[in-house]
Amino acid sequence: DIQMTQSPSTLSASVGDRVTITCRASQSISSWLAWYQQKPGKAPKLLIYKASSLESGVPSRFSGSGSGTEFTLTISSLQPDDFATYYCQHYNSYPWTFGQGTKVEIK
Amino acid sequence: EVQLLESGGGLVQPGGSLRLSCAASGFTFSSYAMSWVRQAPGKGLEWVSAISGSGGTTYYADSVKGRFTISRDNSKNTLYLQMNSLRAEDTALYYCAKRSGSAAAGISYFDYWGQGTLVTVSS
Repeated sequence: DIQMTQSPSTLSASVGDRVTITCRASQSISSWLAWYQQKPGKAPKLLIYKASSLESGVPSRFSGSGSGTEFTLTISSLQPDDFATYYCQHYNSYPWTFGQGTKVEIK
Repeated sequence: EVQLLESGGGLVQPGGSLRLSCAASGFTFSSYAMSWVRQAPGKGLEWVSAISGSGGTTYYADSVKGRFTISRDNSKNTLYLQMNSLRAEDTALYYCAKRSGSAAAGISYFDYWGQGTLVTVSS
């Protein structure tokens, strides 16, 4: 199985900060990576697919990059609505696995 | 508007059974693969099972293989998860998720999620 490792596990930041979350795959997954945002008590929401494609309706301050085994999610200017937990997930092959999550907290 | 509404969760004793349902609307249900994803309290996301749009192909995580069965009724736009021999470690919020493609093992991501139904396994 492909293992997904996110860093950091927790991130403290202020409104307006540029935030970067890293996700590493244990083997190459080409660009078959998605990013999700989850707020407390809510279902995950798709932000990015195919490593860098922005889902419709997602603010342009979110961007994704990378290929192979290393990927990043960047929030260009953190907004109050962005404080949440973020998960990466590969869909290169069965079984699909998620990173352990990165919680973005208010500094 | 895509909507996924899970039901069927509850409290069950270890070794017991439960059947989850997910009613789908807002898209051509039979054209898309579907999955169940769970989240234990305070923990991350774990993919559980997948089924193709036709229902002919299914996949399971090793942790549930042989105990859980995924199925779908395309005439009712409904996804199911039959859970048998439940264990304490199966306690979680179970989400129904739509895949972006039709093949069970295809390269497709989870583009829509339901709100989840809570399963608690405890004596």
